[in-house]
Amino acid sequence: NAGVMQNPRHLVRRRGQEARLRCSPMKGHSHVYWYRQLPEEGLKFMVYLQKENIIDESGMPKERFSAEFPKEGPSILRIQQVVRGDSAAYFCASSMTRQGGRSTEAFFGQGTRLTVV
Amino acid sequence: DQQVKQNSPSLSVQEGRISILNCDYTNSMFDYFLWYKKYPAEGPTFLISISSIKDKNEDGRFTVFLNKSAKHLSLHIVPSQPGDSAVYFCAASANNQGGKLIFGQGTELSVKP
Repeated sequence: NAGVMQNPRHLVRRRGQEARLRCSPMKGHSHVYWYRQLPEEGLKFMVYLQKENIIDESGMPKERFSAEFPKEGPSILRIQQVVRGDSAAYFCASSMTRQGGRSTEAFFGQGTRLTVV
Repeated sequence: DQQVKQNSPSLSVQEGRISILNCDYTNSMFDYFLWYKKYPAEGPTFLISISSIKDKNEDGRFTVFLNKSAKHLSLHIVPSQPGDSAVYFCAASANNQGGKLIFGQGTELSVKP
């Protein structure tokens, strides 16, 4: 897990507040992925980004959730007007592009545990 | 629509014996498969992968087998050690979807001394 940095590790928000989760990929990695793990469940894909572009957001809820990966700075997963059901562990992963276009194995950060009270 | 399935939520094995974790998938477009290990309160750690052009890949105590016709893969750990106790996730990706991974639900392995 070394190299993919997520912060904060733990985040508590009241219902209706905004949550911002940050992810700095490993050096040299241009692909960033966000996953969510609900209690007692596996990891669910949310969104795949490359620098300044959203490649695949098929796993993102239609409302309140957004993600960005700006040219400079970390990737941000933003959840507006949080509800109790948003409580989960959110993991970021990064990978780089191999020759031939296929990305390498994804390496994960430690996750951000969001609790909505 | 669970495209990657790990039907055993838990597995208990004696130290020194073989651990076999299983995974099934439904999407025939998947061509790259990975196993991750996860400890509580940590992120998943990459273990081993296999491309669909192979049927076996080995790395130390870990071997992954792929049966494309059955859409089934398995992870063998031998000999199992207490430090292997963790949740193991199978994941799959398709070449036309970048590095997006679809995960199974995980199997919790307990290796008893």
